Amino acid sequence: TQLLEQSPQFLSIQEGENLTVYCNSSSVFSSLQWYRQEPGEGPVLLVTVVTGGEVKKLKRLTFQFGDARKDSSLHITAAQPGDTGLYLCAGEGLRNTDKLIFGTGTRLQVFP
Amino acid sequence: SQTIHQWPATLVQPVGSPLSLECTVEGTSNPNLYWYRQAAGRGLQLLFYSVGIGQISSEVPQNLSASRPQDRQFILSSKKLLLSDSGFYLCAWSLGEGVEQYFGPGTRLTVT
Repeated sequence: TQLLEQSPQFLSIQEGENLTVYCNSSSVFSSLQWYRQEPGEGPVLLVTVVTGGEVKKLKRLTFQFGDARKDSSLHITAAQPGDTGLYLCAGEGLRNTDKLIFGTGTRLQVFP
Repeated sequence: SQTIHQWPATLVQPVGSPLSLECTVEGTSNPNLYWYRQAAGRGLQLLFYSVGIGQISSEVPQNLSASRPQDRQFILSSKKLLLSDSGFYLCAWSLGEGVEQYFGPGTRLTVT
């Protein structure tokens, strides 16, 4: 069974600080997605990374896919209160019939 | 553009009562459809998925069932709710398996 562990589970920081969220597995994934979910709403897709070592930037958010395609990280520079939410990674298995596997989630709170 | 709707947004039901949650997708044809349950602030547990009308796969044994009477309609049901059925239920769609998923706004179910 493929599992995705996210760390940290909870993170509370002040506005302006930098942070990194990790998504780790012992399995290889074809691609990995990051979602952000605000309270009472459904998750919203932020980015998909496909190639080992790939780095994608979305404004202050930097996403990286590990070289071996088993892990990923999300780095936020100069966090803002609007970044508050639950961050979920999700991996696509190697077989085209595999379902998305969602990570355990990281809850981020950014205080003004 | 594609949109996904879920209703009701919130629901409070007594133990032993029936349940029917509805999800509809607009703007696409033959989507894959998914029902997830999410514990407070945590990751997503896949309950059911469907690749076509009348085709339902269950991921975990439980007190719930799903049906897909039309191409873009997905229904989550129960004959008798349990306290443990409380949670945040999310419907999602995708074009294919293991690719990006797009989520509805969710239904908050409280079983009393």
